[in-house]
Amino acid sequence: AQTVTQSQPEMSVQEAETVTLSCTYDTSESNYYLFWYKQPPSRQMILVIRQEAYKQQNATENRFSVNFQKAAKSFSLKISDSQLGDTAMYFCAFIVNFGNEKLTFGTGTRLTIIP
Amino acid sequence: GAVVSQHPSRVICKSGTSVKIECRSLDFQATTMFWYRQFPKQSLMLMATSNEGSKATYEQGVEKDKFLINHASLTLSTLTVTSAHPEDSSFYICSARDGGRRNGYTFGSGTRLTVV
Repeated sequence: AQTVTQSQPEMSVQEAETVTLSCTYDTSESNYYLFWYKQPPSRQMILVIRQEAYKQQNATENRFSVNFQKAAKSFSLKISDSQLGDTAMYFCAFIVNFGNEKLTFGTGTRLTIIP
Repeated sequence: GAVVSQHPSRVICKSGTSVKIECRSLDFQATTMFWYRQFPKQSLMLMATSNEGSKATYEQGVEKDKFLINHASLTLSTLTVTSAHPEDSSFYICSARDGGRRNGYTFGSGTRLTVV
């Protein structure tokens, strides 16, 4: 069975600083997809970034980047130049195959950006 | 981008009544949709996988007779909470996958159900 672990229930950082959210996962599969989703107070789930396991290059999306360590089964999210709008719950998620496969979510990290 | 519309956003109902929540994919066809439940400050818990034209697949511990799912078309799935009780009060979210896009899964905006 696939599992996703987020060991940081809550984090806070000053505006404009950099913060890293950790995520580890467990699977016996060799090809899979990893995601970070953001859930702001509105509760709308928003895709932040995605990584294909077969790609060695770490994904980046503007201020958001990941550190994907396949051997260690680690998938951390780095937010640079943090902004007040980054305040949200962040969920790490995992899927083996698209199609009818379900996403497996971590327990989430509540991130607060302090003005 | 892909949009999933979920209605209603909030609903209050009396114990014993039924409530229907709709999930629509607006600009793509979704043969599979997913229904989640989220308790305060917790992660999303998958309730069931909704398949167009066939019966839904429920996760272990989810009562299929209480949470009726119908996926009658490629753009619409509904979740009906039957004979609702206060313990059914929660936040329900649907999602769908748009096979032609890179984003993977798109989520609806959620429905806050309060049973009084």
